[in-house]
This record gives sequence, C-alpha cells and structure tokens, in this order.
Amino acid sequence: GQQLNQSPQSMFIQEGEDVSMNCTSSSIFNTWLWYKQDPGEGPVLLIALYKAGELTSNGRLTAQFGITRKDSFLNISASIPSDVGIYFCAGQEYGNKLVFGAGTILRVKS
Amino acid sequence: DVKVTQSSRYLVKRTGEKVFLECVQDMDHENMFWYRQDPGLGLRLIYFSYDVKMKEKGDIPEGYSVSREKKERFSLILESASTNQTSMYLCASSTTGSGNTIYFGEGSWLTVV
Repeated sequence: GQQLNQSPQSMFIQEGEDVSMNCTSSSIFNTWLWYKQDPGEGPVLLIALYKAGELTSNGRLTAQFGITRKDSFLNISASIPSDVGIYFCAGQEYGNKLVFGAGTILRVKS
Repeated sequence: DVKVTQSSRYLVKRTGEKVFLECVQDMDHENMFWYRQDPGLGLRLIYFSYDVKMKEKGDIPEGYSVSREKKERFSLILESASTNQTSMYLCASSTTGSGNTIYFGEGSWLTVV
C-alpha cells in the first residue's frame, strides 16, 4: 500500500530550538493531518489541513498544506521537554482512510 | 469527550492461539479501523468498516479477520497467531464524509511467543 515519505526519521534537539518536519507523497490528498504519539499511547490529532496552501497554527505548532497537495510540513517553535514523542503525518483518502508516514521521533535535551 | 477504548493494553499469546482484540467507540461513528504500528513503518491499515456487518481489506489483511456486529464495536481476530504478528495494534473511528477527524484508541501491545 501507499506510504508517505516523512523526514527526518528522528531529531535530537536542545530545549528552546525550533523543529521542522515534512511529508511528501506521489499522490494528491484532499486532507493532511498531523498526529503526535506519546510513548505507550495512541496518536492524538494536532492539526488538520483541508485546503491547498492552508497555513494553520495550534499554539506553538504551525502546519501547511502544500500548494501541489502532495506535501505538508509541521513546525514546532521553542521546543519544550513535553514535545518528546513520535509525530506522524497522514493523508486522507476516500472514505476517511488515512495513509501514514513512518513517523519522526523527537527527543528534546533540557 | 471522544472515546475509543481498546479492551486489552498488553497481551502475551502463544503461536497458534486465536486472539481477539476488541474496540469500542462511544461517538456513534460509522467508520472504524484497525491499524498495526511497527518501528520505522508507521501505521498500516489492516481492515476497516463503514457500517455494521460491512468490512473492507486494508493494506495488510493477511492473517487477520474482523467482525462488526454492532455499530460501536469492531473486533480484530488473529485466527492463528504467529510471531510476526507481534506488534502494537491501534483501533480508530470517524464519521463519514471527507475532512472528518479520525480518533484513535490507546493501543494494544500484542506479543506472540
């Protein structure tokens, strides 16, 4: 099945730094979603993007839906220790099916 | 609050055993999904269901089956568990229509020995 290309695979950053990650696809999606998964838990939705070119913020998080509808990025500003986790991008196909990236593991040094 | 509940968080089963993973949602959602999550592979769709008694194969259905007898409940069945099915299993649900959010359960960690 199709999968998105998500990068980087992992990041180890200093507290207070900004973080950027992105996803690309060979297919067009109508919706892009970003999820965060804490250790031992299920993914929780951070941001949903519904229109090409859309830029949406949620606190320190900002995400954009690429103009070509084949990519999206997520930025986290001024990272804090609780930002640690795995971040997944997902493109939504028909019938609410999601196609996921492999995830970006974020570790933050205090 | 939205709630997707997976009945077992941690299971250890023997090779060849039949395994049931249960999922219940309290949001009256039409759609329900089962994913498995493995390191470096992200989440892969096993099966999904648009309605009671309806099911469709996802990307990796081999070795699995599902049951949806009631709208709120979606069960994943491993007829004969194998060690390569050791994984984290995530259930999810959503309403119909594009742009609707998918909500996940907390996950079930299955180890097959």
